[in-house]
Parts: sequence; C-alpha cells; structure tokens
Amino acid sequence: GEDVEQSLFLSVREGDSSVINCTYTDSSSTYLYWYKQEPGAGLQLLTYIFSNMDMKQDQRLTVLLNKKDKHLSLRIADTQTGDSAIYFCAEFKDGGSQGNLIFGKGTKLSVKP
Amino acid sequence: DTGVSQDPRHKITKRGQNVTFRCDPISEHNRLYWYRQTLGQGPEFLTYFQNEAQLEKSRLLSDRFSAERPKGSFSTLEIQRTEQGDSAMYLCASSLLVDTDTQYFGPGTRLTVL
Repeated sequence: GEDVEQSLFLSVREGDSSVINCTYTDSSSTYLYWYKQEPGAGLQLLTYIFSNMDMKQDQRLTVLLNKKDKHLSLRIADTQTGDSAIYFCAEFKDGGSQGNLIFGKGTKLSVKP
Repeated sequence: DTGVSQDPRHKITKRGQNVTFRCDPISEHNRLYWYRQTLGQGPEFLTYFQNEAQLEKSRLLSDRFSAERPKGSFSTLEIQRTEQGDSAMYLCASSLLVDTDTQYFGPGTRLTVL
C-alpha cells in the first residue's frame, strides 16, 4: 500500500479554513513536509515539522502532528482563490544511502469565490 | 533568481530517441535529487547525489535511465531509447545537508514521447 495517504479532493469557500489530512506509515521519519503544486509547475515548499513537535504555525498555515496515530494535517486559515492547487504531504527517510522524500498522491484544493 | 533551474522545460521526442535533461541546483547545495511525476500521482524518487557521489540509484526505473553529477554542481538525467511510458514530469530538487536537509524543487521538465 501507499506509504503516505491523502484524500484526493477538498472544496471550500473563499474565507473559510481548509484542513488537509495525511497519514504516514514510517514512525522513524524525521521530518514531514507540505508542498504546493500549481498546474504545470514544480513543487513549492510550504512548511515542515520535525517529528518531535506537535504543532507548527507559520502565518496562515498551521501544521498538526499526531505521532501516535501517524497523522499530519495542514490548516489554511482564510483560504483564498490563489490557494487553489494540489497539496502534497511527504515524509523524509534518511538512513544510510537512502535520503529521499516519500510523497502522497496529493489533495486537490478548490476554492470557490 | 537563485532557485533550482531545469532545462528544457518541455521536451517532445519520438519513441526510441535518447533525451537528456539538465538540473542546476541552488548554489552551494550539496545534495541533488531526481524525481518522476506522472499524472495524478505524487513525485516518485529516482536517484540522488551527495556532491558528485551517486548514493542511491536502485530506484532508477530501468537501465535506460542514468544520471550524472560530474563536478558536484549541475546534474544530467538521460533516458535512452525512450518509450511512451516515459512520458512524465521530471523534477529535480536540491538541499543542503545540514539540519533539516529540506529539498527545494525546480520547475520540472515535461517529457512527451510520441
């Protein structure tokens, strides 16, 4: 199965909060990341959280980590139409010769005016 | 702009041809990664370098794929004898191996194999 799982779609109204959820399977992952991808573009780093943290806030973004349940969420406050994109959760595995990100399939966020 | 750059941005080729993509990482970043992304999927790790050493290449999709980073700066990804299934976005990322080792991505090269 997938190492990282996300729901595929989320639709919200402009001004509302968006919450994008993610589950991962490797408890040894050291960092967990959120990236944003707009159509035809590369990935833009939004934020990350270290595995020994519970929460991280960065302007409109709040990341919550429940390590026991291996659950990660990204909350976007006051969602704007410019936030419409695909959001990827990724876990970082670093060990020996392996150092790479494992991505979920992404959650497509649609923001309606 | 001092971000990760990739060239070309788009490549259309005929089946059986060889293609080469280039990635220029953020200056002073010592790790460089290649990923492939197909439609509706997240990026899939292919290989990575630390300086000029290729530390992981077992995830390259077949022996038609190869990557180099000869001087520890830019990198190239080559696909020989392209197949239609190689059509995808090829993403490059770089990081500085301290603290979080956070990866920053380039805009990608979109490959279409006819």
